[in-house]
Amino acid sequence: DAKTTQPNSMESNEEEPVHLPCNHSTISGTDYIHWYRQLPSQGPEYVIHGLTSNVNNRMASLAIAEDRKSSTLILHRATLRDAAVYYCILINYGQNFVFGPGTRLSVLP
Amino acid sequence: SAVISQKPSRDICQRGTSLTIQCQVDSQVTMMFWYRQQPGQSLTLIATANQGSEATYESGFVIDKFPISRPNLTFSTLTVSNMSPEDSSIYLCSVEDGGTTNEQFFGPGTRLTVL
Repeated sequence: DAKTTQPNSMESNEEEPVHLPCNHSTISGTDYIHWYRQLPSQGPEYVIHGLTSNVNNRMASLAIAEDRKSSTLILHRATLRDAAVYYCILINYGQNFVFGPGTRLSVLP
Repeated sequence: SAVISQKPSRDICQRGTSLTIQCQVDSQVTMMFWYRQQPGQSLTLIATANQGSEATYESGFVIDKFPISRPNLTFSTLTVSNMSPEDSSIYLCSVEDGGTTNEQFFGPGTRLTVL
């Protein structure tokens, strides 16, 4: 079973920030928090990952709670192309990915 | 990063037949993975395929139904055998980043419909 909990769906307006939450209360000290997204009719693609500190890259930011039991993926300015299913996954080195149902993000023009 | 292609991109098959899906990577990789995504569902790992060894199957998946080949470090095949309509899904392969990030790169998927 997936070790994360995400809302089934979220909506955002175009060019506004989006905060996608993920709960992972049973996270272990060596679990990395990975985010992937799956655009329509495509395979999942990597978005960002982190361990303890907040992370930024060209696609998004990842804010990790101090107790690491939750995290938030931040899209700073949503575009129509960001409409996708977003998956939050806990990964320990050598373990396989377990995908939960993810959050379906709709972006309204 | 790795670029992955899959063939065929989609197919419609009759029940009782078999389909072999090919996965090609543009670089040498140790670990390749095969996933199934049933309609409206998330991804489920079928098996892990390492070159030179037997594939490791997840619970609920067996080699007789989903035989896998991994002849070299850039190629793998998944066969869906004796198909039934319940096998209608998208089948995806992925590879793991060779570094420490555990990042996976996914192919575009093969959409299979079984009549």
